[in-house]
Amino acid sequence: AQTVTQSQPEMSVQEAETVTLSCTYDTSENNYYLFWYKQPPSRQMILVIRQEAYKQQNATENRFSVNFQKAAKSFSLKISDSQLGDTAMYFCAYSTDSWGKLQFGAGTQVVVTP
Amino acid sequence: NAGVTQTPKFRVLKTGQSMTLLCAQDMNHEYMYWYRQDPGMGLRLIHYSVGEGTTAKGEVPDGYNVSRLKKQNFLLGLESAAPSQTSVYFCASRGSYAYNEQFFGPGTRLTVL
Repeated sequence: AQTVTQSQPEMSVQEAETVTLSCTYDTSENNYYLFWYKQPPSRQMILVIRQEAYKQQNATENRFSVNFQKAAKSFSLKISDSQLGDTAMYFCAYSTDSWGKLQFGAGTQVVVTP
Repeated sequence: NAGVTQTPKFRVLKTGQSMTLLCAQDMNHEYMYWYRQDPGMGLRLIHYSVGEGTTAKGEVPDGYNVSRLKKQNFLLGLESAAPSQTSVYFCASRGSYAYNEQFFGPGTRLTVL
């Protein structure tokens, strides 16, 4: 079975600080797509960042960046200059086929404190 | 554009009752998905559709049926609800490429007593 592991159930960070969320996955495919989604208290799922496995360069979106280590099957998310609005559950997910079926991790709750 | 909408937002059922959840998208997306979210388990795929008139099973399809008679709509049915189907249900849609993001609806909280 293909799985996604997020080993940190909850993380707390102060405003303006940096936090890194870990994600490991297990697939035998060579090409796949990796995603981080954010779910704030509103429950809405919002895409944060994505990465294609065949691209070596790590993706960056404003204050969000990833560290993609293909050999280690690791896809961590770094949130820089944390803001109160970053408080949310963060889900790591990947897709290995053209149908786009997503396999999600259990999530990491991030709490940003003043 | 409304994006992806779901009806209803909340519902309480008794065991054995049936209901249909409606998902609608106005982005002309081919791909649509139904997920369920349970505490501590992330989202799991129930069924998905790759176009009008086509559906396929996901990871947890038992107890659910789906239909996609129109491209913009994807219906999820529970024929005989069970307490194990208490969950939050999300619909999502996506464009043609696997790299495209999935756009999610606001979710439906279903409680089965």
